[in-house]
Amino acid sequence: IAGITQAPTSQILAAGRRMTLRCTQDMRHNAMYWYRQDLGLGLRLIHYSNTAGTTGKGEVPDGYSVSRANTDDFPLTLASAVPSQTSVYFCASSDSEGEQFFGPGTRLTVL
Amino acid sequence: GQNIDQPTEMTATEGAIVQINCTYQTSGFNGLFWYQQHAGEAPTFLSYNVLDGLEEKGRFSSFLSRSKGYSYLLLKELQMKDSASYLCAVKDSNYQLIWGAGTKLIIKP
Repeated sequence: IAGITQAPTSQILAAGRRMTLRCTQDMRHNAMYWYRQDLGLGLRLIHYSNTAGTTGKGEVPDGYSVSRANTDDFPLTLASAVPSQTSVYFCASSDSEGEQFFGPGTRLTVL
Repeated sequence: GQNIDQPTEMTATEGAIVQINCTYQTSGFNGLFWYQQHAGEAPTFLSYNVLDGLEEKGRFSSFLSRSKGYSYLLLKELQMKDSASYLCAVKDSNYQLIWGAGTKLIIKP
C-alpha cells in the first residue's frame, strides 16, 4: 500500500508556465488537502475537498485551482506560475477522525 | 484572527526530557494535533487531544487545557533521531487544521 503519492518530486518552472502537481491516495479517504510550506511559516491550506465532486478554498487559494473527479486523485494546477509560488507543496488526506496523512511533497521553484 | 504560537527552536541533550509548548486562539476547537517533521520529509502524526488531560504514548506525551488554550508535547529519554520540527495544529469550527510554524528541536550528544 503506497498511501499518498505525489508527482513530480521536484520541478523548476519558468514564470508564466502552467503546471499541474499530481496527488493520488489509495486509502479511500474522503477528504484531501493541498498545503504549501515556506520557511518560518506554518503549513498553509491552499484548497481542500471534503468528498469527490466538491472542493473548497483554503487560506491561500489565489493562483491555484483543484479538481476532484474521483476519490483517489486531487491534482493542483498553477495556471500561470509566479516566483512567489516557489515552495514545498504537500498533499494530504484524512479519515473521519481527522488525522491527516501526508504525501512526500513536491519542491517547486519558479524562476 | 486565528493564531497558533510555539517556540521557533529548542535545544536539549540526549537522554533528557523536553517540553514543547503550544498556545492557540482559534474560531472554535475540535481537537489538537501534534506532528513530527524531519528535515526534507513530510509531517507524520504523533498525537491527538480533544479532552483536557494527558495522553501518553511511549516516550511521547501530549497535554491539553482547553480553558487556557494551551497544549504541550513532552518527549522523554531523548534520542538523536528526535531531532526534527514539531508542529502543533488545531482543528477549528470548520474542521480545518490551523497550523503553527513549528518548533525545531535540536538534540545534542
